[in-house]
Amino acid sequence: ILNVEQSPQSLHVQEGDSTNFTCSFPSSNFYALHWYRWETAKSPEALFVMTLNGDEKKKGRISATLNTKEGYSYLYIKGSQPEDSATYLCAFRYNFNKFYFGSGTKLNVKP
Amino acid sequence: DVKVTQSSRYLVKRTGEKVFLECVQDMDHENMFWYRQDPGLGLRLIYFSYDVKMKEKGDIPEGYSVSREKKERFSLILESASTNQTSMYLCASSTSEAYEQYFGPGTRLTVT
Repeated sequence: ILNVEQSPQSLHVQEGDSTNFTCSFPSSNFYALHWYRWETAKSPEALFVMTLNGDEKKKGRISATLNTKEGYSYLYIKGSQPEDSATYLCAFRYNFNKFYFGSGTKLNVKP
Repeated sequence: DVKVTQSSRYLVKRTGEKVFLECVQDMDHENMFWYRQDPGLGLRLIYFSYDVKMKEKGDIPEGYSVSREKKERFSLILESASTNQTSMYLCASSTSEAYEQYFGPGTRLTVT
C-alpha cells in the first residue's frame, strides 16, 4: 500500500479567507493525481484529474497545481464560502485501476 | 449525469451475520470498485471488477467477497460479519479507461 498524505487534517477558516491544502505522494510510478470534494451525506465529487508535471487546473474559485518530481499537489480555494465546507480528498493513481487515497482535509468555513 | 446508488445508507448487523452491500451504476461502466473508509485513513480498495464475472483483490480483501453477475451491479459480501468490519463502504464505477471514478453516497455499516 502506497503512502499518500494530506495536510492539514482539518482547517477552520472564516468566510472570505483563502486557503490551501497539500497532498504528498510517491514521486515514482506516477500515473495521475485526482482531487475530490466530499460533502457530508453526499457522494465524493471529482474536482480535478492531473497528469503532467506542472499541471495547473482551475474550477471557479478552486485551483490545483501538480509537482510529480517532488511528489506533491496543492489545492487552493480563493475567498472561501460556507458551501466550500467539505472533506477534500486526493488520490494518487499508480496505474489505470489502482487509486491510493489520502485521509482527507476537512474544511469548515464559518459565515 | 452518472449515477451510482448503494442499497442502504445505514446498516446495523450482528456479528456472524452474512451481509450484502449492493451497488448499481447507470452509465454502462466496465469498472466497479468497493472501498472502505475508516477514521484517519484514506479510502482503501477491497475489490475491483473490470467486467462481468471478473474481479481482482484490492489491498484489503480479507473477510470479503464480491459478485458481479450483471454489468450494472456489483455486490460486496461479508460472509460472517465481524466488529472490525464496522466502517463506511463506498462503491465507485468508471469506464474501462478509468479516467475518472464516480462514487455512490456510501453505506455506513455497524456490526455489533
